[in-house]
Amino acid sequence: LAKTTQPISMDSYEGQEVNITCSHNNIATNDYITWYQQFPSQGPRFIIQGYKTKVTNEVASLFIPADRKSSTLSLPRVSLSDTAVYYCLVGDRGAGNNRKLIWGLGTSLAVNP
Amino acid sequence: EAEVAQSPRYKITEKSQAVAFWCDPISGHATLYWYRQILGQGPELLVQFQDESVVDDSQLPKDRFSAERLKGVDSTLKIQPAELGDSAMYLCASSFLGTSVYYEQYFGPGTRLTVT
Repeated sequence: LAKTTQPISMDSYEGQEVNITCSHNNIATNDYITWYQQFPSQGPRFIIQGYKTKVTNEVASLFIPADRKSSTLSLPRVSLSDTAVYYCLVGDRGAGNNRKLIWGLGTSLAVNP
Repeated sequence: EAEVAQSPRYKITEKSQAVAFWCDPISGHATLYWYRQILGQGPELLVQFQDESVVDDSQLPKDRFSAERLKGVDSTLKIQPAELGDSAMYLCASSFLGTSVYYEQYFGPGTRLTVT
């Protein structure tokens, strides 16, 4: 089973860049890395997804080194509204064509004024 | 913007009672997921449907939980009888492609279940 390891919590201040690193040593060749954001009492929301190198969208950037055993979610100039839990997921090969995602505990990011 | 609908948003029930949750995925999404999330933990997949077929229910406590998606559109998750340990947030999600490597799932607002 592909498993991810993230810091349990992080603190930052408004306007700073935040980098959250995720370790996934057993990532499979065809697996993608996906990050979700979750606010209290809401369902998770897709942020970004990548396979290798760098992916950027209007919300974040995702950096993936060549060995793909880790990835870093970068949030530029965070604001108070970025306070949330961030989950890193990789695909997991289940039986047959089923692919099961394993959700860990996530990283609880607190942005302070 | 299309959203996943869930009802009820909150449910309080006594243990040993039956409870049901409903989910309506985004139109055109073939894959539907039910998750359970205990406070402070990540979501745990209970069941995954591809159209009306179950493709993964390995984590579903089948002695008390059941799920159906009869016409391949909306879905119902039932617990009977409810136990104290079932208190959690129940999340429904849908995605366009089920067996693809692309795991962009769209989540509903969830149902907060409290069993007393």
